[in-house]
Amino acid sequence: EVQVLESGGGLVQPGGSLTLSCGASGFTFRQYAMSWVRQAPGRGLEWVSGIGHTGADTYYSDSVKGRFTISRDNSKNTLVLQMKSLRADDTAVYYCAKGVTDLDSWGQGTLVTVSS
Amino acid sequence: QAVVTQEPSLSVSPGGTITLTCGLSSGSVSSNSYPSWYQQTPGQAPRTLIYSTNTRSSGVPDRFSASVVGNKAALTIAGAQADDESDYYCLLNIRSGAPVFGGGTRLTVL
Repeated sequence: EVQVLESGGGLVQPGGSLTLSCGASGFTFRQYAMSWVRQAPGRGLEWVSGIGHTGADTYYSDSVKGRFTISRDNSKNTLVLQMKSLRADDTAVYYCAKGVTDLDSWGQGTLVTVSS
Repeated sequence: QAVVTQEPSLSVSPGGTITLTCGLSSGSVSSNSYPSWYQQTPGQAPRTLIYSTNTRSSGVPDRFSASVVGNKAALTIAGAQADDESDYYCLLNIRSGAPVFGGGTRLTVL
């Protein structure tokens, strides 16, 4: 069974940093691009960042470019999102998903709250 | 940056058929936009319905179908059921490697 499980969310002050992780199982992780998608409270889905299957290619939405860094460790089947200079409008549930243009196998999400 | 547009809300009667659309504020949607569709009920993670324009994800009933019609992507739900009442999002690959979600359509079955 394909599974992805996000972790690392929590409360962080504005301007702070946080690192999210996503562990994957049930599929050959190294063969698939991966993405992070977020959803602010009461709002719609927002694609945030994606990474190619080797990790060589990375992509970001304009809203996080320069502040967030996506990476992966194919030996550990793990996807990572490093977030810095966090703002109140980064508050959201962050989902990990398989793919970039065709998202599949979503996790249950991890909540990031940016507040003083 | 182009905005992906969806109807904010729609309603359908049980057993009825409804079509949700996904367009661009400037330009046309084509299969090269790789439109995909997602269903989300409150408090739950999204569920993939359709990818690559018209391919149903595993386990999705054939009541759900999708296509590109005119200059928009379209998701059609036939024989609507109560548990189809959800938010539906489309995703378009507008700029290579950086897809964009539409604002979502809240579908009511009544």
